[in-house]
Amino acid sequence: NAGVTQTPKFRVLKTGQSMTLLCAQDMNHEYMYWYRQDPGMGLRLIHYSVGEGTTAKGEVPDGYNVSRLKKQNFLLGLESAAPSQTSVYFCASSYLPAGYGNTIYFGEGSWLTVV
Amino acid sequence: SQQGEEDPQALSIQEGENATMNCSYKTSINNLQWYRQNSGRGLVHLILIRSNEREKHSGRLRVTLDTSKKSSSLLITASRAADTASYFCATDAKPTDKLIFGTGTRLQVFP
Repeated sequence: NAGVTQTPKFRVLKTGQSMTLLCAQDMNHEYMYWYRQDPGMGLRLIHYSVGEGTTAKGEVPDGYNVSRLKKQNFLLGLESAAPSQTSVYFCASSYLPAGYGNTIYFGEGSWLTVV
Repeated sequence: SQQGEEDPQALSIQEGENATMNCSYKTSINNLQWYRQNSGRGLVHLILIRSNEREKHSGRLRVTLDTSKKSSSLLITASRAADTASYFCATDAKPTDKLIFGTGTRLQVFP
């Protein structure tokens, strides 16, 4: 019953460093999403994928890259971290498009601090 | 830009009282969902209401939708301390393959 698993859970980066957040789901979902959550801003969509090998930009894609090489994994990369990317990152997945009234399932979050 | 905006931003009540939070959105939707987030955790789906529905119930939850006013409300009846969490509305957006979340309401229920 793993559901959506994110690694790492906590990370501190120095400005300019790079890192990758890994999201894995074991529900055979086609759709996967990366959101960031900031105080007073709610959740904002960074990138999403509608299937293996596909990616698309969300609301706030700048400074991030993603890849979906395997159906079960969705990677979020920061090439050159900036303090403005300090946030909590959530991965989510759904079997059908979330916008068509389908539930999406969230991971537990990854806390990233850029100093 | 955010599609949904919850009101109030924060709400504190005593156990046993009802909690009402509102969500306003900007564009036409097909569906609206409510999610709950406990502190330090991911979001969990609570309930969905479709644009052709006006009211929906699930246990102690009651959701209403007024498409003419582009607003929804979530009512939690007979609240419990365990209901303490943040609550988010989420609406579909064109193209409808993703959800856009509101800013959330932080609910604190005191024993």
